[in-house]
Amino acid sequence: AQSVTQLDSHVSVSEGTPVLLRCNYSSSYSPSLFWYVQHPNKGLQLLLKYTSAATLVKGINGFEAEFKKSETSFHLTKPSAHMSDAAEYFCVVSERTNAGKSTFGDGTTLTVKP
Amino acid sequence: EAGVTQSPTHLIKTRGQQATLRCSPISGHTSVYWYQQALGLGLQFLLWYDEGEERNRGNFPPRFSGRQFPNYSSELNVNALELEDSALYLCASTRGLAGGTLQETQYFGPGTRLLVL
Repeated sequence: AQSVTQLDSHVSVSEGTPVLLRCNYSSSYSPSLFWYVQHPNKGLQLLLKYTSAATLVKGINGFEAEFKKSETSFHLTKPSAHMSDAAEYFCVVSERTNAGKSTFGDGTTLTVKP
Repeated sequence: EAGVTQSPTHLIKTRGQQATLRCSPISGHTSVYWYQQALGLGLQFLLWYDEGEERNRGNFPPRFSGRQFPNYSSELNVNALELEDSALYLCASTRGLAGGTLQETQYFGPGTRLLVL
């Protein structure tokens, strides 16, 4: 069984300040982990993914995430927020090589203040 | 390369009617996934099709059904619509089981917004 918990339903930051979106997971096997972003009324876009290579994963738009097995965490960070980063973010855990066994977190809404 | 496409973009139905939503995967992808994103409920897995067969099903009643065609496009049917079926329905695709290794990364379409009145 697997599960994913996004620890904050809403995060608000000022433009130019760091972003931290937290995700903890549980899995009975070595999982793949993903972060997706969803802008209003749009589909989900892949930001980055971890699939057992380097534990620090760099994604698009300056985002990165670090896989920490000991803490079962996969937090998403960005050094400096832009207004265009305002969106909903989903952390996803998947059985490796099997998207059919994916579990989505409940999402974190990121607000960026000017 | 064209992405995942979904039609229609919006659909308005009344209670008791049937809705049909369509999805075309990325060329070369044989697996299609359907999700429901209702307000306040996050993304809920509905169905997974690969090579024309239903591979997995989420915790939804039987009035949610679908199929996958030989060209790997897919249809989601919702019968006897209820008000709480109002949601954004998302489709995603990946390379499938026939490719040897099922891909983990799902590519999403823009969704169909269903409103049940």
